[in-house]
Amino acid sequence: ETGVTQSPTHLIKTRGQQVTLRCSSQSGHNTVSWYQQALGQGPQFIFQYYREEENGRGNFPPRFSGLQFPNYSSELNVNALELDDSALYLCASSLDGGNQPQHFGDGTRLSIL
Amino acid sequence: QKEVEQDPGPLSVPEGAIVSLNCTYSNSAFQYFMWYRQYSRKGPELLMYTYSSGNKEDGRFTAQVDKSSKYISLFIRDSQPSDSATYLCAMLNNNDMRFGAGTRLTVKP
Repeated sequence: ETGVTQSPTHLIKTRGQQVTLRCSSQSGHNTVSWYQQALGQGPQFIFQYYREEENGRGNFPPRFSGLQFPNYSSELNVNALELDDSALYLCASSLDGGNQPQHFGDGTRLSIL
Repeated sequence: QKEVEQDPGPLSVPEGAIVSLNCTYSNSAFQYFMWYRQYSRKGPELLMYTYSSGNKEDGRFTAQVDKSSKYISLFIRDSQPSDSATYLCAMLNNNDMRFGAGTRLTVKP
């Protein structure tokens, strides 16, 4: 069974730039959720995709957007990067959205200069 | 008041000790409760997933949920140095999962 994989592992960007992060879900899972984890904090829910549709969103501005593809992999896009966007971005996959247990990848560490 | 409160520690115990980790929450809509373990530079790893009030045991780990008090606990028996990590409680209502800030645990040989 293949787990959740994320790419890249590290990324450095400057303010105002745009970034795309990628996630491959665990085999058999059709739901992907994205989280932002600041240093010393718990992950914060950004949004969830279920069968290629957004299925819930946390308190993040519209410059955070996403996609899910027919193979259930997903992208997180962030436009107009700000210094506060520096964080670990985690992807989690699960089955059929809702209340199923979520399994995480190791994340992408994004640094904004 | 935060929706999920978790003592950040740090917590340091000798090898073999029983560890108790706790979280409280304010939103009674949460129906599912989880504990994750996160090693440095890694993603959270699911340890326990529970729904109802009561106890659930898995090896050296026991998860306890008290919905009436809005309080959940994780007990680790016979703690090992390999248990040294940050432990995150999490609560789920449909697709919205909320985490505590995490408790940093060190188990000393």
